[in-house]
Amino acid sequence: DGGITQSPKYLFRKEGQNVTLSCEQNLNHDAMYWYRQDPGQGLRLIYYSQIVNDFQKGDIAEGYSVSREKKESFPLTVTSAQKNPTAFYLCASRPDRGGTQYFGPGTRLTVL
Amino acid sequence: GEDVEQSLFLSVREGDSSVINCTYTDSSSTYLYWYKQEPGAGLQLLTYIFSNMDMKQDQRLTVLLNKKDKHLSLRIADTQTGDSAIYFCAELPMDSSYKLIFGSGTRLLVRP
Repeated sequence: DGGITQSPKYLFRKEGQNVTLSCEQNLNHDAMYWYRQDPGQGLRLIYYSQIVNDFQKGDIAEGYSVSREKKESFPLTVTSAQKNPTAFYLCASRPDRGGTQYFGPGTRLTVL
Repeated sequence: GEDVEQSLFLSVREGDSSVINCTYTDSSSTYLYWYKQEPGAGLQLLTYIFSNMDMKQDQRLTVLLNKKDKHLSLRIADTQTGDSAIYFCAELPMDSSYKLIFGSGTRLLVRP
């Protein structure tokens, strides 16, 4: 059963704590992306990775970090430096050929 | 600059056709996409159109592309209550390193 999984679906953390969101894909896609979505708004790109062991900052990378040690996995860490971390986080992947991105189900992070 | 614009809200009666509009600014865009997002879920790819096409039809969905005016539309025939969702338009500029540019989304409400 191929696809993109994100876990957990809901995540609660206290202010000042770092938290890591998981994104795994078994589609053999080369590129992976992290987006943030706030209520009533579109998607903003946080980080993306076109190949293992390489990643680039998106439009709103401050306060976030990523790693890409395996093709299948692209975890996102929301650090305490991110001022407004409460949001819906979406992971996506893209095959080597073509620009179409496929999305996971999302993780809703709430910082208390 | 790069910007994709959509109207915020559309309300239609069940059984009618819905037309969701989008304007984009980058004439180099190679592909244009429509995604659907249901509450609390990720984005689902509905359809896409290559920039050298004027129209694409897929069952109840019809995409029209006017390159001269940089205008994209999605028509949903026989709209059902299950079509109620947020619809995102996205463009893939040629020199974007495969980064999609998303609109803010159009919320479609289907009234019974």
